[in-house]
Amino acid sequence: KNQVEQSPQSLIILEGKNCTLQCNYTVSPFSNLRWYKQDTGRGPVSLTIMTFSENTKSNGRYTATLDADTKQSSLHITASQLSDSASYICVVGPNAGGTSYGKLTFGQGTILTVHP
Amino acid sequence: EAGVTQFPSHSVIEKGQTVTLRCDPISGHDNLYWYRRVMGKEIKFLLHFVKESKQDESGMPNNRFLAERTGGTYSTLKVQPAELEDSGVYFCASSKSGRGREYFGPGTRLTVL
Repeated sequence: KNQVEQSPQSLIILEGKNCTLQCNYTVSPFSNLRWYKQDTGRGPVSLTIMTFSENTKSNGRYTATLDADTKQSSLHITASQLSDSASYICVVGPNAGGTSYGKLTFGQGTILTVHP
Repeated sequence: EAGVTQFPSHSVIEKGQTVTLRCDPISGHDNLYWYRRVMGKEIKFLLHFVKESKQDESGMPNNRFLAERTGGTYSTLKVQPAELEDSGVYFCASSKSGRGREYFGPGTRLTVL
């Protein structure tokens, strides 16, 4: 069983609508959680990074939340655009403060398709 | 600032052959990571360099995989001999110590026939 589980596996929405993607993790030790966007044929690009003490972080139309007690995170996308069509990946990092000293654990991703 | 680059973008080889993948990190980034995504699975960690030293190679699948980072700049990942299950997309990422964000390259798609 993967230590980072995402739902749904895929999602189709209409342009302009909002959506929320879910992530549950069991990775331990844990100190930061990231959301990445991966366009087809490209590498993942970081959207947000949250430490265990942060509850929410925004990046434009993207807002991530984190509940470290229940080990759940969500990514909310507001007013979706066609360019939001991509895979969204929840990633857990093992080190404190977002410093980059260890391996990341990836979820399988949610494939989002935005239709006009 | 140039991003992380990887070469080649695609590679198709036959089982038993050797392939070498290259990654050029962002200039000044001392951390370099290799990851792999096989069909239908999540991206998985292979190894981590800090400058030229292997910090963590716990994700390397077996001794057919050899990673190097001579001089602490670019890195190579050699697969010898390649097997069918090695097919997938190999990503490289780099970061600067103390600045948490990793930057990923576009990946190399490896197909072993």
